[in-house]
Amino acid sequence: NAGVTQTPKFQVLKTGQSMTLQCAQDMNHEYMSWYRQDPGMGLRLIHYSVGAGITDQGEVPNGYNVSRSTTEDFPLRLLSAAPSQTSVYFCASSTSGSGSYNEQFFGPGTRLTVL
Amino acid sequence: GNSVTQMEGPVTLSEEAFLTINCTYTATGYPSLFWYVQYPGEGLQLLLKATKADDKGSNKGFEATYRKETTSFHLEKGSVQVSDSAVYFCALNNNDMRFGAGTRLTVKP
Repeated sequence: NAGVTQTPKFQVLKTGQSMTLQCAQDMNHEYMSWYRQDPGMGLRLIHYSVGAGITDQGEVPNGYNVSRSTTEDFPLRLLSAAPSQTSVYFCASSTSGSGSYNEQFFGPGTRLTVL
Repeated sequence: GNSVTQMEGPVTLSEEAFLTINCTYTATGYPSLFWYVQYPGEGLQLLLKATKADDKGSNKGFEATYRKETTSFHLEKGSVQVSDSAVYFCALNNNDMRFGAGTRLTVKP
């Protein structure tokens, strides 16, 4: 199993550009989520999905869109990039979000810089 | 709401020293508690977890006990190694995941 994969690893955008961060998992996990990691702030939840066709907002959803058309894929879209979105983005998956004991598996991250 | 507060770093120790990283939480009900570790350039990996009060999670010489009376889940290791250098995150899951800010540990030979 590849686990959770993310592409690209690094990306530089100009203000106002749009892009999609890709995330895929091959563990048949129902629950997938996106976090951003900023210095001194830990990880903050952007959006999550409890299954194909179902998404919901997390703690910091503004400026980001998600969709979940398949169990495997959970792309994150930046509609109009802003410097405040410079961060490291992590995708994670688990067997079920409603089971509070479930371990989340993380991808390697995408480092995004917005100029 | 749910939140996690953990000891600010960075923490620098000599090899074989004793490690404690403090973590306290705020949550309603009975969250599950986790410690994750992040090595340079990588994503987070689960280090250990505890799902109910008085449970002790342990892995690779690290331990943490779920203390409901003090709402704490402190991470300890009796003798750290250079390879333990990483960032450590305390987290809780109470139907959504909340992470602490992370504590950077550097172990010197």
